Amino acid sequence: IQLTQSPSFLSASVGDRVTITCRASQGISSYLAWYQQKPGKAPKLLIYAASTLQSGVPSRFSGSGSGTEFTLTISSLQPEDFATYYCQQLNIYPFTFGPGTKVDIK
Amino acid sequence: QVQLHESGPGLVKPSETLSLTCTVSGGSIGTNYWSWIRQPPGKGLEWIGYIYYSGSTNYNPSLKSRVTISVDTSKHQFSLNLSSVTAADTAMYYCARDFLDSGDNDQGFDIWGQGTMVTVSS
Repeated sequence: IQLTQSPSFLSASVGDRVTITCRASQGISSYLAWYQQKPGKAPKLLIYAASTLQSGVPSRFSGSGSGTEFTLTISSLQPEDFATYYCQQLNIYPFTFGPGTKVDIK
Repeated sequence: QVQLHESGPGLVKPSETLSLTCTVSGGSIGTNYWSWIRQPPGKGLEWIGYIYYSGSTNYNPSLKSRVTISVDTSKHQFSLNLSSVTAADTAMYYCARDFLDSGDNDQGFDIWGQGTMVTVSS
């Protein structure tokens, strides 16, 4: 299953609402996870099952969608949120990741 | 809390076998799936495969002919062997714990090692 993300790059300001879209080449039910990766660090699980917030993740992060279209929303961008975000499908082997969306400071 | 730590050579010659070990500390290696993921420099993430503590495995077909993942529960370790490496296998290699929901469905990787960079070069 191929995942596409849009945009691939976005420039935003602190306090902005940010939305990233992930599309699957075929339906994956709700088996979608979102990760945040900062330079030189391992990815961090933010959301699983498309919309469930991982323990310890701030509530400004939210996820939605099912089937083939999913979104990750950051309600009010904070300085520590500038990073690259990846979606991942876990419905069908092999597990695959999207190409990533880099969120940069405007 | 559970922590993962990758170890192994940082440089491997072309055509040789890349061997990495992930040590699990702070918790049991049992009752979970454990994955390997890699990331070439400046690129995205690729799932390599996972192993269950019982020894059952699932590999990415793109690497299946060259990959072996094994587990040693007595040492709290699982390992990755990737044979016949080329420059395309140069990447940061991560080990991670698969997060299972109440229905034992894989929902992502909730704990990651810090990663180990492997360069394939003569």
